[in-house]
Amino acid sequence: DAMVIQNPRYQVTQFGKPVTLSCSQTLNHNVMYWYQQKSSQAPKLLFHYYDKDFNNEADTPDNFQSRRPNTSFCFLDIRSPGLGDAAMYLCATSREDRGSETQYFGPGTRLLVL
Amino acid sequence: QKEVEQDPGPLSVPEGAIVSLNCTYSNSAFQYFMWYRQYSRKGPELLMYTYSSGNKEDGRFTAQVDKSSKYISLFIRDSQPSDSATYLCAMIIQGAQKLVFGQGTRLTINP
Repeated sequence: DAMVIQNPRYQVTQFGKPVTLSCSQTLNHNVMYWYQQKSSQAPKLLFHYYDKDFNNEADTPDNFQSRRPNTSFCFLDIRSPGLGDAAMYLCATSREDRGSETQYFGPGTRLLVL
Repeated sequence: QKEVEQDPGPLSVPEGAIVSLNCTYSNSAFQYFMWYRQYSRKGPELLMYTYSSGNKEDGRFTAQVDKSSKYISLFIRDSQPSDSATYLCAMIIQGAQKLVFGQGTRLTINP
């Protein structure tokens, strides 16, 4: 089945220790998104790639970076995680010709910062 | 004021009841409206999306949009314990990339 896959599902890191979360998709969608979702809150868009074009949200901290080496993969790098970065990180994809209304989410990576 | 308002609940109803979930919004530029279901510790799953005012039905689920009132609803008929989840409304301006989510309503269906 075509899907959005995130690894790892759970990630524990230490305060200040860089961490990378990965996302892959078999849907061949050209748009990929990273969201941060804290407990009992709505997902918050961090940035997205429209093909290779990177689009950063204005309020996304510089601590968060992303890479998209090809259509299928996208990475979220947190350079120096703080306690406030503990959250669920969601990857989503959509297809340009259908518009971004139909975004498909992965299962998420839950990040714990010690 | 948030662009999208959604009562976080929690909402608890008996099995078999009709559930009504609602969101209001302030930006009249929103044109696409979605409902996502999110089980605990899982990613959101797209349930329904609509474009025009009116009703859209899919099995036990009905999505309703009233653009004049800036109000959307999701109705669940014959609710089941497996419907227990958080339901997020989301909306987007045509041509934009950014979904704007409501806070989500936590729903529990009691057997």
